[in-house]
Amino acid sequence: DAGITQSPRHKVTETGTPVTLRCHQTENHRYMYWYRQDPGHGLRLIHYSYGVKDTDKGEVSDGYSVSRSKTEDFLLTLESATSSQTSVYFCAIIDDSSYEQYFGPGTRLTVT
Amino acid sequence: QKEVEQDPGPLSVPEGAIVSLNCTYSNSAFQYFMWYRQYSRKGPELLMYTYSSGNKEDGRFTAQVDKSSKYISLFIRDSQPSDSATYLCARGGYQKVTFGTGTKLQVIP
Repeated sequence: DAGITQSPRHKVTETGTPVTLRCHQTENHRYMYWYRQDPGHGLRLIHYSYGVKDTDKGEVSDGYSVSRSKTEDFLLTLESATSSQTSVYFCAIIDDSSYEQYFGPGTRLTVT
Repeated sequence: QKEVEQDPGPLSVPEGAIVSLNCTYSNSAFQYFMWYRQYSRKGPELLMYTYSSGNKEDGRFTAQVDKSSKYISLFIRDSQPSDSATYLCARGGYQKVTFGTGTKLQVIP
């Protein structure tokens, strides 16, 4: 499983509240990613990071911000959650040696 | 047009059948091709990864890439009920990996 954990695994929050999701990896890979998965849309990239404090936007970055202050942690923040951000969020890494992408177990977020 | 197109299914086959899953893509810029398997309420699991045209085999699974027609295929031989899952194709590189929407497969005992 490439040592990827996500927290929390499930969260219900109200519209307008801030939410932070955490991705933790144990193997210090350089590239980390946040995706969301929705029916009919598949997996879509929100943001990615290619090193500590180095991040860039994906195709659905509006309403999301990220931070990476340590190699092992990549945080995704919804500054003011909206119902359209109800989704399953996956963190992923690319293995530095094999170049293969591995996913975490996911966080199911519901915004009411 | 989506960069990666995949029939969502569902696809239902009897146990032991050969399964063929297919995707098409529209952008030739990226050269990595992947297949993932995703069980219900789990994260995607990498099945096959290739950087070239042609076939790659791993046990009962064969991935095929035809760059001339921009076609990606996954074949599953002797399908098992445990193969019942959603299969995602993907292509890309470090900065961008684009996924198909997934094909749901059910293998009936």
